Amino acid sequence: AQTVTQSQPEMSVQEAETVTLSCTYDTSENNYYLFWYKQPPSRQMILVIRQEAYKQQNATENRFSVNFQKAAKSFSLKISDSQLGDTAMYFCALVETSGSRLTFGEGTQLTVNP
Amino acid sequence: DTGVSQDPRHKITKRGQNVTFRCDPISEHNRLYWYRQTLGQGPEFLTYFQNEAQLEKSRLLSDRFSAERPKGSFSTLEIQRTEQGDSAMYLCASSFRSGQNTDTQYFGPGTRLTVL
Repeated sequence: AQTVTQSQPEMSVQEAETVTLSCTYDTSENNYYLFWYKQPPSRQMILVIRQEAYKQQNATENRFSVNFQKAAKSFSLKISDSQLGDTAMYFCALVETSGSRLTFGEGTQLTVNP
Repeated sequence: DTGVSQDPRHKITKRGQNVTFRCDPISEHNRLYWYRQTLGQGPEFLTYFQNEAQLEKSRLLSDRFSAERPKGSFSTLEIQRTEQGDSAMYLCASSFRSGQNTDTQYFGPGTRLTVL
């Protein structure tokens, strides 16, 4: 069974600075997808970024980028130029290509301070 | 294009009562998922549908839980004889799956259930 671990329950960063959130995972399959979702307070889960395991190039979406290390089973999220609106719970998630269910980590609460 | 919607957003009920939640997916999406999220935790998978067929159920989905997607559009999740441990946020997600390509799931706002 697949597992996802986020070892940082809380993090904080100053506005305009860069922060990196960590995620490690385990799966017995070679083909899978990884995601970062953002859940602002009392608001719905929003997709931040997606990475296909077969792609060596790290995914990038504007200020958000990932560092995908397949051998180490690591998938960190870097947020550049942090904004107050980035304050949220961030979840790392995995889905195996052969399956459908997302497996989520425990989440990291990110606070961006003015 | 409207996103995934869920109704109600909040539900307070007494232990032992039955409750039903509704999810309306993004219109062209053929897959619909239900997850449960307790405070401070990541969502946990409950079940999913492809069109009207329920293809997978988690062992978390006890026999007090039932889900339907009768016409392959909206879905309902019913909990019978609610218990205090059922208190959680119930999230719905939808996606479009084509062939072997893995789909991205888009989430609704959730229904927060409180069982007194």
